[in-house]
Amino acid sequence: DSGVTQTPKHLITATGQRVTLRCSPRSGDLSVYWYQQSLDQGLQFLIQYYNGEERAKGNILERFSAQQFPDLHSELNLSSLELGDSALYFCASSVASDRVHAEQYFGPGTRLTVT
Amino acid sequence: GQNIDQPTEMTATEGAIVQINCTYQTSGFNGLFWYQQHAGEAPTFLSYNVLDGLEEKGRFSSFLSRSKGYSYLLLKELQMKDSASYLCAVMDSNYQLIWGAGTKLIIKP
Repeated sequence: DSGVTQTPKHLITATGQRVTLRCSPRSGDLSVYWYQQSLDQGLQFLIQYYNGEERAKGNILERFSAQQFPDLHSELNLSSLELGDSALYFCASSVASDRVHAEQYFGPGTRLTVT
Repeated sequence: GQNIDQPTEMTATEGAIVQINCTYQTSGFNGLFWYQQHAGEAPTFLSYNVLDGLEEKGRFSSFLSRSKGYSYLLLKELQMKDSASYLCAVMDSNYQLIWGAGTKLIIKP
C-alpha cells in the first residue's frame, strides 16, 4: 500500500459525458501528479500540482482539467469524453519540489471505460 | 527534445539473470529511477541512481553512467513474479520526470 488513494476504482460512462477522478496523496506529500495509461502503452504525464499550484503540464488535452485543494487532495476532470479516453488514470504523490527530488508513489489507479 | 529509450520486450528464463538497458537524452540530469509495473497495477519504485556506479538491492541492481547517458537494471535469480514491465525515468534540470515507454519482461519456466 503506497498510501496514495484514488476513487473510484472503476468508472464506466458514455461518450460526451463528464467525470471526476479523485486522489488523496500520502501524508506529508505536497506534489500530486496525474498520468494516463492506455492499454499496453507507457505512462503519459498529464499534469503536476505542488501545494495547490500547477507546476508542470504534459500532454493534457484541453477537455481535461485538474486542481489541487487546500487539503492537498486533487481532482482530475475529464469532459466531452471520447472512446479513446478509455484508460487507466494514475495519481502519484511525492515530497518533490523545485529543490527536492524524490520518488513518486502511485495510487492504485482509476480504470475509465467510455462506451 | 528529451528522449528515453528502452527495449520494448525481453524474455528470460526462471533462475537466470537479465539486464534491461536504458539510454537517455534529457535537459539536465537529477537522477534516474527504475519502477516495476505488473499488468493492470500501479508502478512501484525500485531504485534511484544519481552518481555513477552500481547500486545493489537484493536481487536487483541498477547501474548508471552519466557520461554515456546510460543505465541498466540487473535482475538476478529470476522468479516468475518478476514478469512485469520495467520503467526507466530520468529527472531533468527542472526536477520533472521523463518516462521511458517501459520494457515488458517475460519469464519462462
